[in-house]
Amino acid sequence: EIVLTQSPGTLCLSPGERATLSCRASQGVSTMYLAWYQHRPGQAPRLLIYGASNRATGIPDRFSGSGSGTDFTLTISRLEPEDFAVYYCQVYGISPYTFGQGTKLEI
Amino acid sequence: QVQLVQSGAEVKKPGASVKVSCKASGYTFTDYHIHWVRQAPGQGLEWMGVINPSVDSTTSAQKFQGRLTMTRDTSTSTVYMDLSSLSSDDTALYYCARLKAPADYWGQGTLVTVSS
Repeated sequence: EIVLTQSPGTLCLSPGERATLSCRASQGVSTMYLAWYQHRPGQAPRLLIYGASNRATGIPDRFSGSGSGTDFTLTISRLEPEDFAVYYCQVYGISPYTFGQGTKLEI
Repeated sequence: QVQLVQSGAEVKKPGASVKVSCKASGYTFTDYHIHWVRQAPGQGLEWMGVINPSVDSTTSAQKFQGRLTMTRDTSTSTVYMDLSSLSSDDTALYYCARLKAPADYWGQGTLVTVSS
């Protein structure tokens, strides 16, 4: 089973700044099967990135994903107030569809 | 439009079972797998398992094997998640979700509280 470790646990930034979130896998992951989700309080999670670098439907271009092998990154180029949430990476395509423990992005 | 509508909140005693439903609409039910994901209070997202409604096959996370049963009713486009031998650790918000890039769809969540 692949274990995903996200860092940092909490990231404190201000609107307009750039956020860089990391996700490290315990073994190599095909880029086809790495996703990022955003989870705001009181809402269902939302798919941001799939296939490591592809934006999901309706996701603004300030969100971008990169990486390969065991190291993946989610970048938010210019933070908007609505971006302050918890972000999870996930491996999918083969069971188990493990989530990382999350990075909380706060003001 | 695609919708996943879950059943209402449940309160259960330790040792009991809970069954949560997830009714799909707006697409061909058998074309997409349905996942179950939960979030315990103050914790992160936890993937539980997935059902393929087309062939009625399921895969569960090892942690839930033996306790988690997922079924479907194609006549009503509904998926069910049955979790047995509940403990306080199972208190959580349970989501069903259609996780097929490039778009995902989630139910509204069902709160399951396990308390004596």
